[in-house]
Amino acid sequence: EPEVTQTPSHQVTQMGQEVILRCVPISNHLYFYWYRQILGQKVEFLVSFYNNEISEKSEIFDDQFSVERPDGSNFTLKIRSTKLEDSAMYFCASTVTYGYTFGSGTRLTVV
Amino acid sequence: GQQVMQIPQYQHVQEGEDFTTYCNSSTTLSNIQWYKQRPGGHPVFLIQLVKSGEVKKQKRLTFQFGEAKKNSSLHITATQTTDVGTYFCAGPFGQAGTALIFGKGTTLSVSS
Repeated sequence: EPEVTQTPSHQVTQMGQEVILRCVPISNHLYFYWYRQILGQKVEFLVSFYNNEISEKSEIFDDQFSVERPDGSNFTLKIRSTKLEDSAMYFCASTVTYGYTFGSGTRLTVV
Repeated sequence: GQQVMQIPQYQHVQEGEDFTTYCNSSTTLSNIQWYKQRPGGHPVFLIQLVKSGEVKKQKRLTFQFGEAKKNSSLHITATQTTDVGTYFCAGPFGQAGTALIFGKGTTLSVSS
């Protein structure tokens, strides 16, 4: 069964550093998403991406966040200057129309 | 803003007992989706409901979409230890309607 692949599985970074989280969505999917989940809490929407541009973004997705689909297969989330409160599990997801397929996530720890 | 609420937050049952989680939206939804997240895992899509009053079954799981398309429920009959996890409902939001807002989830634990 096709999978959404995320790398790395765990990233530790110092506060103020930039991080890039990588995702390879399922190849025939059209819509791509980033969500985050702080331990034990709800799955929070960050951004959706369609046709090479952002289609929706949440209040969380401020100027320190950006997304790219640089080469037609990878989908990246960049956090420019990490804060302690950015520590969370970040999930990438993709879909054709409905029913997201989520990746296994990147656990980001900001110290 | 739009909210999706779920109750209860936690539920513990004995194996073989039934379980129900309820989902309510502050706005009318065009569809509602359900996901399951096992401990330490990622959300996995279970089902989408689209029609008012729709009922769908997957083995021991029964999903309902309310007549007003603002609420939904998931009922598990005769729970098993494999049912352990957090069940999330999610509804579309935003202008494009392609992004989902998730409820806080109901975490189910099952003892044998």
